[in-house]
Amino acid sequence: GAGVSQSPSNKVTEKGKDVELRCDPISGHTALYWYRQRLGQGLEFLIYFQGNSAPDKSGLPSDRFSAERTGESVSTLTIQRTQQEDSAVYLCASSLFSGGDTQYFGPGTRLTVL
Amino acid sequence: DQQVKQNSPSLSVQEGRISILNCDYTNSMFDYFLWYKKYPAEGPTFLISISSIKDKNEDGRFTVFLNKSAKHLSLHIVPSQPGDSAVYFCAASINTGNQFYFGTGTSLTVIP
Repeated sequence: GAGVSQSPSNKVTEKGKDVELRCDPISGHTALYWYRQRLGQGLEFLIYFQGNSAPDKSGLPSDRFSAERTGESVSTLTIQRTQQEDSAVYLCASSLFSGGDTQYFGPGTRLTVL
Repeated sequence: DQQVKQNSPSLSVQEGRISILNCDYTNSMFDYFLWYKKYPAEGPTFLISISSIKDKNEDGRFTVFLNKSAKHLSLHIVPSQPGDSAVYFCAASINTGNQFYFGTGTSLTVIP
């Protein structure tokens, strides 16, 4: 497809379980971002990948959150021992280059932690 | 700490009239600003951007105004159309940085 895709679109899990969210960026885009949007709040930056450079993890809220990306392809965001406050829409975006380049967003994964 | 703020959670406008969405920021280092539009169950889509070297950028019905001294930007939509009904986010970055800071969004409803 031409756009950013994310899976699953919806995920319901029990507190304490681990979840893995997937993002397929636009082919050729070197930069990939993860954000989350909790109810009533703005988009919150989580992590940024640029090519093979070390990722910018400064937005990850705790050590329960981690993300990986192999080269310029798929990325996975993993949340271990989920808590109810992790419930949010997790959005992935990619851009051709880094910095101020326009980001193209996926549809998001809605995570609900019971 | 919310560095980008959209103080109006919602706005209703009659079709054909002007919609004005506002955004304020606190970090004077921000020099690149964007507006995104988001429909339900979809990710945000890029709408228009402005660099701090400009005070206005226009693209069709959409115009973004930047007032650096007031740390304020606004998005004008003229004329408003029902299809413009969506949530609008403003975002800011420091040009060489990787992080974009988003506002909480304003839900625009254009009434036919």
